[in-house]
Amino acid sequence: ILNVEQSPQSLHVQEGDSTNFTCSFPSSNFYALHWYRWETAKSPEALFVMTLNGDEKKKGRISATLNTKEGYSYLYIKGSQPEDSATYLCAFSLPYNFNKFYFGSGTKLNVKP
Amino acid sequence: DAGVTQSPTHLIKTRGQQVTLRCSPKSGHDTVSWYQQALGQGPQFIFQYYEEEERQRGNFPDRFSGHQFPNYSSELNVNALLLGDSALYLCASSLGSMNTEAFFGQGTRLTVV
Repeated sequence: ILNVEQSPQSLHVQEGDSTNFTCSFPSSNFYALHWYRWETAKSPEALFVMTLNGDEKKKGRISATLNTKEGYSYLYIKGSQPEDSATYLCAFSLPYNFNKFYFGSGTKLNVKP
Repeated sequence: DAGVTQSPTHLIKTRGQQVTLRCSPKSGHDTVSWYQQALGQGPQFIFQYYEEEERQRGNFPDRFSGHQFPNYSSELNVNALLLGDSALYLCASSLGSMNTEAFFGQGTRLTVV
């Protein structure tokens, strides 16, 4: 069983605060790390797919970094807005495993206006 | 493009009954994966279908079975339901044999009483 851990489990911030969360995964035999944003009653929405050590991806106010040697990824949100409130999931995949994902349990973010 | 659609959205079953959940993948996708998300946990991989065959399977008992049709839609069947099968069941679609971006449906919430 491959362990993917996310921290913190939940986070409450004020509008305008910047925040970050962590995803830890096995550093051996890595293929890809996926970040998803999941609003209540909606489908998980893909944010980033990262495959290379040192990868940095950005989409608007959200960015992510990847360290495959030590087995972690950070997701940053700059200037949080209430619409950023969601659960953020990371998923790890192995080579030649055709999108079989190992998910963390997610970080639930609540942004207060 | 309707994206990934799942039906039904909610259902309630009694212990010992059987249930069938359905998934239509995103247009152009040929691979369907099923995940179970129990309360407080991340999604767990059940199995994956490609070219109408089960390509890989997670650590779930034989009570969980599936099918993929020629139009790539898929069904998840669970027999002899247990209380512990109560969960959100997610379907993900992707393209082909490579690790690529996966798109998720909204899920089916199954409650076993």
